[in-house]
Amino acid sequence: ETGVTQSPTHLIKTRGQQVTLRCSSQSGHNTVSWYQQALGQGPQFIFQYYREEENGRGNFPPRFSGLQFPNYSSELNVNALELDDSALYLCASSLGPTSAEETQYFGPGTRLLVL
Amino acid sequence: KQEVTQIPAALSVPEGENLVLNCSFTDSAIYNLQWFRQDPGKGLTSLLLIQSSQREQTSGRLNASLDKSSGRSTLYIAASQPGDSATYLCAVTDSNYQLIWGAGTKLIIKP
Repeated sequence: ETGVTQSPTHLIKTRGQQVTLRCSSQSGHNTVSWYQQALGQGPQFIFQYYREEENGRGNFPPRFSGLQFPNYSSELNVNALELDDSALYLCASSLGPTSAEETQYFGPGTRLLVL
Repeated sequence: KQEVTQIPAALSVPEGENLVLNCSFTDSAIYNLQWFRQDPGKGLTSLLLIQSSQREQTSGRLNASLDKSSGRSTLYIAASQPGDSATYLCAVTDSNYQLIWGAGTKLIIKP
């Protein structure tokens, strides 16, 4: 167990709706990263937060947004859902400001299905 | 644009065999390369991290090598066990400090 939890585990939404996914990082980890993993593909980096500020973003539109809170929890919000948003969403936590240089601890993911 | 490729996409071998998983990347300007394991419902687990200045890393029955100039890495698993069955992904940290992932190799170890 990594100590990183995500909720909910599964979610079904319809196109055009909004969704909020939640992640609880390991205590003391100041960085949280979010990834989208389509079926049969590797994860794609969405964005990263360090001490409640976004400090890195992948090639995702602005309707993907996030928040990080002082209690090591974070949220991924997706507005105006599209069918292609159906995927496994993973969060990962790490200690320092540059998550890719050190070990990241992943949660089990939230599987989102958009109909 | 960095691209990461993993071959084969799936592999099935009998228990006890040694095996090699392959990962290739198109841009040698990387900070590090990592190998991960993904189990259904359990997320991703980091197995080995090789810094760009290193040639290999070992952990138990796992050995990962890195040849940055040729854009290749291999993950060697010795004496495979059914518990090794999982999807193995490699990822490189690119010049923007972002992880770029391969699609993974699904490994099945038959008892």
